[in-house]
Formats: sequence, structure tokens, C-alpha cells
Amino acid sequence: DIQMTQSPSSLSASVGDRVTITCRASQGVYDSLAWYQQKPGKAPNLLISAASRLQSGVPFRFSGSGSGTDFSLTISSLEPEDFATYYCQQYYKTPLTFGGGTRVEIK
Amino acid sequence: DVQLVESGGGLVQPGGSLRLSCAASGFAFGRFALSWVRQAPGKGLEWVSWISARSGYIEYADSVKGRFTISRDPSKNTVFLQMNTLRSEDTATYYCAKDFLMATEAPDVSDVWGHGTMVTVSS
Repeated sequence: DIQMTQSPSSLSASVGDRVTITCRASQGVYDSLAWYQQKPGKAPNLLISAASRLQSGVPFRFSGSGSGTDFSLTISSLEPEDFATYYCQQYYKTPLTFGGGTRVEIK
Repeated sequence: DVQLVESGGGLVQPGGSLRLSCAASGFAFGRFALSWVRQAPGKGLEWVSWISARSGYIEYADSVKGRFTISRDPSKNTVFLQMNTLRSEDTATYYCAKDFLMATEAPDVSDVWGHGTMVTVSS
């Protein structure tokens, strides 16, 4: 199975901060990498697919980059509604696997 | 609106069975694959199973292979997850999710998710 390692597991930041979350795959997944946002008690919400393709309706402050084994999600300027947990997921090979999540908290 | 609504969760004893349903609306059900993804309380996401648009391709996580069966009924726009020989480690919220791309032969990202249904395995 492809292991997905996210870092950090949590971070504290303020509104307006630039935040970057990284995700490393145990083997190459090309650009078959997605990012999801999940708020407490809610289902995940797809933000980015194909490593850098922003889903319709997702604010432009979110961006993704990377290919192969190393990926990142950047929020250019945190808004209050961005405080949530973020997961990466590889869909290159089954079983699909998720990273452990990064909790973004208010400083 | 594109919508997925799960049902069928509840409390079941270890070794028991449960059948989850996911009713889909607002999109061409027969053109999209669907997945089940679960989340244990306070934990991360775990992909469970996937079924292609015409049921020709099916995939399972090793943790459920041989115990869970995914199926779909196009006449009801519904996908099912039959869960047998349940264990305490199957306790989780189970989400149904739709593939982003049409007519895939392998799992894709999930662009629409249901609200989830809780399954608790306990004596």
C-alpha cells in the first residue's frame, strides 16, 4: 500500500497568515493527489485534484503543487472559515490512501 | 442539487451484520462510480470500497475484503454496503462518495459526499 505522510499534524495560525501543509507519498503517484477539507461533524470537501486543479467554487487562496512523491497545499491568506482539518489522498493505486490529517487551529 | 444520503447505520454486536444504503439524486447515477469511506471516532479517513458505474469493477480495502460487499441498484439510484462479521474496529461514520470523473475503471477523487451514517460495533 502507498503510505501518505502529512506534516505538520497540527498548526496554529492567525487570520491572514500564509499556511503550507505538506504530503509525502511512500512511492510515486504522479499527479494523482487530492486535498480535502473537513470541518467537525461534517463530510470532507474536495478542494484540489490532480495535485493542483482547484475544484469549482473553491477560493483562489487555496493552491496545490507537487508531483511524484512530494506535494503541498498552500492557503495564501487564512480566513476564519479555513480553520479545519485537511487531508491529502492518493488515487494512483488501490487501496486509495489518505494522509493522517493536518488540523489548522486559531492562534 | 447533487445529493447522497446514507442510511442503515446503528448499533450491532460483534460478529453481526448491517447493510448500509446510499441514495443518490441530482446526477446521472449510471455514469459515475461510487465509494464508501469511513472515519472512526476522532480518527482520520479510511477508504473502504469502490464500485464502477456499471458494476463491472469493484475494489475493497484489505481490512474489509471477504466481509463487506458493495453493490448498486440502478433502478433505485442506490449503492449498498453489506457488512458481515463486524468487528469493534469497524466502528466509524461511513460516508458514501461519488467519483469526480465519469465512467472510470479505477477509483477517482470524490467530489460529492453524503453526510455519513454511524456504525457502532459493541456488545
